[in-house]
Amino acid sequence: GAVVSQHPSRVICKSGTSVKIECRSLDFQATTMFWYRQFPKQSLMLMATSNEGSKATYEQGVEKDKFLINHASLTLSTLTVTSAHPEDSSFYICSASYSGGTSTYEQYFGPGTRLTVT
Amino acid sequence: KQEVTQIPAALSVPEGENLVLNCSFTDSAIYNLQWFRQDPGKGLTSLLLIQSSQREQTSGRLNASLDKSSGRSTLYIAASQPGDSATYLCAPSGNQFYFGTGTSLTVIP
Repeated sequence: GAVVSQHPSRVICKSGTSVKIECRSLDFQATTMFWYRQFPKQSLMLMATSNEGSKATYEQGVEKDKFLINHASLTLSTLTVTSAHPEDSSFYICSASYSGGTSTYEQYFGPGTRLTVT
Repeated sequence: KQEVTQIPAALSVPEGENLVLNCSFTDSAIYNLQWFRQDPGKGLTSLLLIQSSQREQTSGRLNASLDKSSGRSTLYIAASQPGDSATYLCAPSGNQFYFGTGTSLTVIP
């Protein structure tokens, strides 16, 4: 089956520093990758959608200058949390999908990254 | 924007019971709907994917139905086991995925 990996699985950083999270589709080419955030006891919230080779589309309320998304290849997308603050502490999950046209096929999820900002 | 509601929010049942989780969504213009389970602190595991042209999908003890016109989906779990304890999320998909708040299931041995 389709496998998506994330790295790192856990990261602790100090306030003001930047953190990069990688999302890789290991055995398929993902034309679209999604980034989600989940705060404790809340549902997943879509942050942004990124298509390979183009700029990410951010959901309302998500700061594009703070959460930098790069989808440089069909197997790799990165999320960089810049100048992280304690309120950015969350569980970040990516998913990858093969999309044809405007339809969306099954999504394959990474295992998630737990970010703690101290 | 798609709004997804899952009922109940939490459910506790004794082992062996059959149970039904409900999902409703406001925008019926979807391509498919997925059901996921999430264990605490973990990522998502896809359980079932129903295409918009289908009415149900089955995998082992799980059966999911879809009524796209009324904006409803149900996940039926037969003969529940303690290992089924998790949060179950439904996600209808148009051009994007939107998740419900989930149903937290506890199966008591």
